[in-house]
Amino acid sequence: SSELTQDPAVSVALGQTVRITCQGDSLRSYYASWYQQKPGQAPVLVIYGKNNRPSGIPDRFSGSSSGNTASLTITGAQAEDEADYYCNSRDSSGNHHVVFGGGTKLTVL
Amino acid sequence: QVQLVQSGAEVKKPGASVKVSCKASGYTFTSYYMHWVRQAPGQGLEWMGIINPSGGSTSYAQKFQGRVTMTRDTSTSTVYMELSSLRSEDTAVYYCATLTGDLDYWGQGTLVTVSS
Repeated sequence: SSELTQDPAVSVALGQTVRITCQGDSLRSYYASWYQQKPGQAPVLVIYGKNNRPSGIPDRFSGSSSGNTASLTITGAQAEDEADYYCNSRDSSGNHHVVFGGGTKLTVL
Repeated sequence: QVQLVQSGAEVKKPGASVKVSCKASGYTFTSYYMHWVRQAPGQGLEWMGIINPSGGSTSYAQKFQGRVTMTRDTSTSTVYMELSSLRSEDTAVYYCATLTGDLDYWGQGTLVTVSS
């Protein structure tokens, strides 16, 4: 099965831009989705597909992809963006399997 | 609005089984696959498997093959996840989720604690 690799922790100064990355072979074939998770809450989808935001997600969140790497960019990070972020994608082995990255803890300084 | 409502917290002894339910509402139940994802305390998200509510077909992560069974009841729009031979490492919050593009909805999570 596929694996997705994320940096365990990233920090950003308030109002600055931060990029969170996700690497894996499955990303050469499938787009990543990105989730935000705050303590004690279920994950919330922030980006899916090529670069789509669900209703209610601020436009400071954007996604991109190149080769085996997907990126989530937060332009003008806010204090409320401090959370864990997870990527996922379809597993390249098929059968609708899904794989998640290990997660990135984002700290807003 | 779409809702996935899961059953309540469970405490189980090692070796036992647990069955978690997830009742869907607000959309056509048979139109979207349902996934199960778990999260151990302080750990990341782990995909367990998927069920097609329409035909009932399933596919499981290799790690859980032989221990997990996913079923559905179309009459009540409910999916179930049963995990057997529980061990302490199975202590986690278990989520059902649609994970389908912008129809991405998650249940509130069910804490399963495995302890002797």
